[in-house]
Amino acid sequence: KQEVTQIPAALSVPEGENLVLNCSFTDSAIYNLQWFRQDPGKGLTSLLLIQSSQREQTSGRLNASLDKSSGRSTLYIAASQPGDSATYLCARGGDKIIFGKGTRLHILP
Amino acid sequence: GAVVSQHPSRVICKSGTSVKIECRSLDFQATTMFWYRQFPKKSLMLMATSNEGSKATYEQGVEKDKFLINHASLTLSTLTVTSAHPEDSSFYICSARLAGNSYEQYFGPGTRLTVT
Repeated sequence: KQEVTQIPAALSVPEGENLVLNCSFTDSAIYNLQWFRQDPGKGLTSLLLIQSSQREQTSGRLNASLDKSSGRSTLYIAASQPGDSATYLCARGGDKIIFGKGTRLHILP
Repeated sequence: GAVVSQHPSRVICKSGTSVKIECRSLDFQATTMFWYRQFPKKSLMLMATSNEGSKATYEQGVEKDKFLINHASLTLSTLTVTSAHPEDSSFYICSARLAGNSYEQYFGPGTRLTVT
């Protein structure tokens, strides 16, 4: 069974800190790996998409990496801000998208 | 970029009634659309894959007679929750895959269904 696991389930850090969210997946034959942000009661906002042939993607303060051999991806957030508080979902792409359960991030002002 | 809309964004209905949710790809054609359900503080669970002009493929455990899916055009898929019950209350999100594009999906903003 294909699974996506995210650790930690919840995280609280003071504003300004750099942080890393972790994602692991069981099938290394993925097509892509995507990170989403979801605010309470809202839909998904795509943050970064890493194709299977790529190792990382960057957008502003966000950097996502992909290591297919170990079945892992990380989302690095630099200089965190209270506005970064949300749930971050990792999703393994392919014919069907398989989502992790997410990491609920709370940035303390 | 590719935009997907959902209507309504929020709906409240009485137990026993049916509710239709629309998913539209606004600026692209989508041969395949997907319907997901999200319970509070849980991840998204794929309900079904909708292919234009053919029957939807439902995931294990999803009742096809309860969740009717119609994908009549390349830009519109509908999900009808029939004879809704309070346990059907959830957040429903659709996504659309570009025609000819292999795997990238674009997500709608979601519909909050509350059954009283």
